[in-house]
Amino acid sequence: QSALTQPASVSGSPGQSITISCTGTSSDVGGYNSVSWYQQHPGKAPKLMIYDVTNRPSGVSSRFSGSKSGGTASLTISGLQAEDDADYYCSSYTTSSTLVFGGGTKVTVL
Amino acid sequence: QVQLQESGPGLVQPSQTLSLTCSVSGDSISSGGYYWNWIRQYPGKGLEWIGYIHYRGSTYHNPSLKSRATISVDTSKNQFSLKLKSVTAADTAVYYCARGGTIQSWWSLGYWGQGNLVTVSS
Repeated sequence: QSALTQPASVSGSPGQSITISCTGTSSDVGGYNSVSWYQQHPGKAPKLMIYDVTNRPSGVSSRFSGSKSGGTASLTISGLQAEDDADYYCSSYTTSSTLVFGGGTKVTVL
Repeated sequence: QVQLQESGPGLVQPSQTLSLTCSVSGDSISSGGYYWNWIRQYPGKGLEWIGYIHYRGSTYHNPSLKSRATISVDTSKNQFSLKLKSVTAADTAVYYCARGGTIQSWWSLGYWGQGNLVTVSS
């Protein structure tokens, strides 16, 4: 199972909105509404930000939102803040009953 | 508050077996029907799902590991464990344990341990 494709880096200024894409196939992203997004700060464990494409766990800011179109999922961060500077990973359930991750995107707040 | 904590050696010799344990507090492994997972993160930052276990014993492992991984659970200690045999330098990574959802959402990893760096080297 190949990793999902994410851009290596995305940047934006405070207050702006950015979008991170996560591209897969019909065997993963395109076949299920089972995409999650994780935020990871240096030296820390990943934190679940979005699950099942659009749902936010309790305590996660409403500035984070998810969507999906065909085989590509997206994470949008609105009102970018300094604390959003981190790595972001997508994941998806697959037809092999496994979980596959994206390669990660470094978000830089300018 | 659910907390997970990995424990195990930080250095394993090539061809040996890597053994890690995840201790869970704030939740009982044998209640709630959750799925308990192992994930690793390579030095280049990529994440790989290793497998999961349910307290009733059902497990599933990533086929990419070619049957080298075994996940078990000890409900009396509220722990679950990972054994990875015949390790090579390519198994060097930070190993995380994480709690997923129930059977309809086991892939949503809402709680993670802090990670355990394992280096495979002689």
